[in-house]
Amino acid sequence: DAGITQSPRYKITETGRQVTLMCHQTWSHSYMFWYRQDLGHGLRLIYYSAAADITDKGEVPDGYVVSRSKTENFPLTLESATRSQTSVYFCASSEQGTNTEAFFGQGTRLTVV
Amino acid sequence: KNQVEQSPQSLIILEGKNCTLQCNYTVSPFSNLRWYKQDTGRGPVSLTIMTFSENTKSNGRYTATLDADTKQSSLHITASQLSDSASYICVVGHRRSQGNLIFGKGTKLSVKP
Repeated sequence: DAGITQSPRYKITETGRQVTLMCHQTWSHSYMFWYRQDLGHGLRLIYYSAAADITDKGEVPDGYVVSRSKTENFPLTLESATRSQTSVYFCASSEQGTNTEAFFGQGTRLTVV
Repeated sequence: KNQVEQSPQSLIILEGKNCTLQCNYTVSPFSNLRWYKQDTGRGPVSLTIMTFSENTKSNGRYTATLDADTKQSSLHITASQLSDSASYICVVGHRRSQGNLIFGKGTKLSVKP
C-alpha cells in the first residue's frame, strides 16, 4: 500500500537496550522527519533528512541515531534506551521540506522500563 | 524564541454547534501555517496549509484564517460532528530552515451528543 508506515506500533524495552524504530514511505519524498510527542509538549523534532545520506539534528537529538541509506527508509535508533525516552514517536515525510505538505505515520508507542 | 501558542487547551461543545480555535505564533521568518487534526492514537492529518499571502482557506466544514500582521490564526469548525472530537494542532513553518516545523501543543476538542 502507498503511504508512510511505521513499525512496530508498540514496543516495550528495558533501560540500556538498543532499539530501532522503522519508517518507510512509498512516495519518494526527499524529506523525512522523526518527532516525539509527550504530554505537555507539542511534537518535537529529533532528526530530519533532506535526502539519502543527508541528515541533520532537530530540537532533541541526544540519545538518538538516524541513517538514510535509501530514500524510502529512515530508521531511528535509540542506542541505550532511557526511561525519559518513553514517548510516542512519529515519522513524517514531505516532498520539499517545510514548504510542502508533511504526511505522518501512525506512530510508535515506546515504553522503556 | 520561535513559539506557537494555542487556546483554549481543551473545549467541549454539543454536536451541531460551531467553535473557533486560536493560534498565536512568534516564528520568524514565517513560511506557512498549517492546521492538523490528530485523532487519539493516530498520526496528525493535514486540514489546511496557508502561506503569507493567504488569509483564509477552507476544507469542508473547517475554515482557517491567517493574519500575518498580528501573527494570529484561527480554525473555525461549522456544524460540529462527533467525529470532530480530536486534538487540533497549529504548526508554523520557518522559512530559513527546511527541517523546522514549530508545533503548538494542540487544542483537545470533545463533541458531545
